[in-house]
Amino acid sequence: DQQVKQNSPSLSVQEGRISILNCDYTNSMFDYFLWYKKYPAEGPTFLISISSIKDKNEDGRFTVFLNKSAKHLSLHIVPSQPGDSAVYFCAAYDYNFNKFYFGSGTKLNVKP
Amino acid sequence: EAQVTQNPRYLITVTGKKLTVTCSQNMNHEYMSWYRQDPGLGLRQIYYSMNVEVTDKGDVPEGYKVSRKEKRNFPLILESPSPNQTSLYFCASSRTGTGGGGYTFGSGTRLTVV
Repeated sequence: DQQVKQNSPSLSVQEGRISILNCDYTNSMFDYFLWYKKYPAEGPTFLISISSIKDKNEDGRFTVFLNKSAKHLSLHIVPSQPGDSAVYFCAAYDYNFNKFYFGSGTKLNVKP
Repeated sequence: EAQVTQNPRYLITVTGKKLTVTCSQNMNHEYMSWYRQDPGLGLRQIYYSMNVEVTDKGDVPEGYKVSRKEKRNFPLILESPSPNQTSLYFCASSRTGTGGGGYTFGSGTRLTVV
């Protein structure tokens, strides 16, 4: 049973607009939530994270929002650029088990 | 440059022929892990190691073995590969207990078992 779910396999956005990628989780004990970006033929690279005690973390064009009551997090990319086209994985970290749980990924296509 | 190096990048093999995928990291990380990526299933953990000589099963360990004799190396061994092990494999490392910083991943090994 997947503890981290990304229900949208793909998303298409126009360059310059906002991209919103969503992720849901089931375990309220997760300590951190992370987003990874993956280009074809490369490994995932760490993008941004948020502690479970916060509700927002911002890094340049990337902002992650955490809604603990809904067990939902989202990644906002503003403005979106063609170079952002990639697969984005959501992940959650359980400190007690030192383990990361990954979602199935969302493929983002930013059209010029 | 801090990195995780996997070899080979691509491998086609036949059912039952033992193979090893190597993984090495140069960041002195204690924690290392192997994942496989399959369409619609995301990244699933095969095995992990919290330090030298300490390994444990992840979510999908069947058909795989690992060893951690040195801190930097964490090879993945398929004793008798089968077609259902055709997948994209990633090795990853991190400092133990630093969940907020995430993993450093290797570039992946695409394995095909025929």
